[in-house]
Amino acid sequence: QVQLVQSGAEVKKPGASVKVSCKASGYTFTSYGISWVRQAPGQGLEWMGWISAYNGNTNYAQKLQGRVTMTTDTSTSTAYMELRSLRSDDTAVYYCARARVALEQQLGLCWFDPWGQGTLVTVSS
Amino acid sequence: QSVLTQPPSVSGAPGQRVTISCTGSSSNIGAGYDVHWYQQLPGTAPKLLIYGNSNRPSGVPDRFSGSKSGTSASLAITGLQAEDEADYYCQSYDSSLRLVFGGGTKLTVL
Repeated sequence: QVQLVQSGAEVKKPGASVKVSCKASGYTFTSYGISWVRQAPGQGLEWMGWISAYNGNTNYAQKLQGRVTMTTDTSTSTAYMELRSLRSDDTAVYYCARARVALEQQLGLCWFDPWGQGTLVTVSS
Repeated sequence: QSVLTQPPSVSGAPGQRVTISCTGSSSNIGAGYDVHWYQQLPGTAPKLLIYGNSNRPSGVPDRFSGSKSGTSASLAITGLQAEDEADYYCQSYDSSLRLVFGGGTKLTVL
């Protein structure tokens, strides 16, 4: 079955970086994209960005431009999200999700299914 | 403040029908972009409930239905059950902000 399995919880100090992995299985990895979505404690969902597993193109949320980098390793069907210069308000559960589209010009048609189990990132001094 | 506006909470008794609205603007839903809905049970990852405004993925009961008109969309749940108690999110595309979620609606089954 289609499955996304994420790396474990992280605790980081302000100013540090974190890199979360998301290993896909059960489908052709390069036929889709991967999006990252985060959820702060008690808050709603926030879209962070999208990467095409087909050609590596990315599209990041304006708010995170310059601090986030999304990559993929097609040899292992794994996606990565790195967030730099961490602040306390980056504390959240980070989810990866299979994005329906693999081309940037199709983002208007994009939904997310399935989702990974989530990775808690805690930023604290 | 989300560009897609949802009511913070809705409630209903078992067996009743409830609807959750998702109001956007001319740069997202009103521009013709599809709306998708997700259900997030407590302590779990979101799950796709409706895609392309009104389509249900395999395994989603037909008690759940979606619709879209103008700059808004709605999720309807009929025959409410205790297990439907969850947070529900709408999602669409915005010409300025790219992919966006609504603020979420907490459904309480009385």
